[in-house]
Amino acid sequence: KNQVEQSPQSLIILEGKNCTLQCNYTVSPFSNLRWYKQDTGRGPVSLTIMTFSENTKSNGRYTATLDADTKQSSLHITASQLSDSASYICVVTFYMRFGAGTRLTVKP
Amino acid sequence: KAGVTQTPRYLIKTRGQQVTLSCSPISGHRSVSWYQQTPGQGLQFLFEYFSETQRNKGNFPGRFSGRQFSNSRSEMNVSTLELGDSALYLCASSVTLAGETQYFGPGTRLLVL
Repeated sequence: KNQVEQSPQSLIILEGKNCTLQCNYTVSPFSNLRWYKQDTGRGPVSLTIMTFSENTKSNGRYTATLDADTKQSSLHITASQLSDSASYICVVTFYMRFGAGTRLTVKP
Repeated sequence: KAGVTQTPRYLIKTRGQQVTLSCSPISGHRSVSWYQQTPGQGLQFLFEYFSETQRNKGNFPGRFSGRQFSNSRSEMNVSTLELGDSALYLCASSVTLAGETQYFGPGTRLLVL
């Protein structure tokens, strides 16, 4: 069983709508939790980095939350745009464990 | 400021051969990490170098090795290639070690026949 589970595996939404991606982890110890966006054929781009003590971190229309007690994180995307179509990957560092990613498609 | 560059971008090798991939970090970045990405396994951490020293290593066999030079440029070597080594190899740089934002290169796509 993967120590970092992301859900859903894929998601299709209409442009302008909001969505929330989930990341549950069991891996420990924990240095920080990161969310990356990866466009097809390109390297990942960092969206947020949160330490154990941080609950929320925003980057423009992207807001990540972290509940270290329940070992859950979410990435909320507001007012989606076509350019948000990508894979979103959750990473728990210390041992660098990656989730399988959520493939988001934003349709006009 | 130029981003992370990786060469070559594409590579085709046959089983048993060896390959060397190169990564030039962003100027001023001293940490370089390497990752393997495959459709089946997703992203997996290979190793991280800082100031020419390997600081972290993932769970890969000894056929995978790397090094970092005094100018922070890094190379990754895979010996005795196997079909399963076909993947996108990504390099990322950051100013220092863990906790910093990493900037990824475009990757080297390796195909082993």
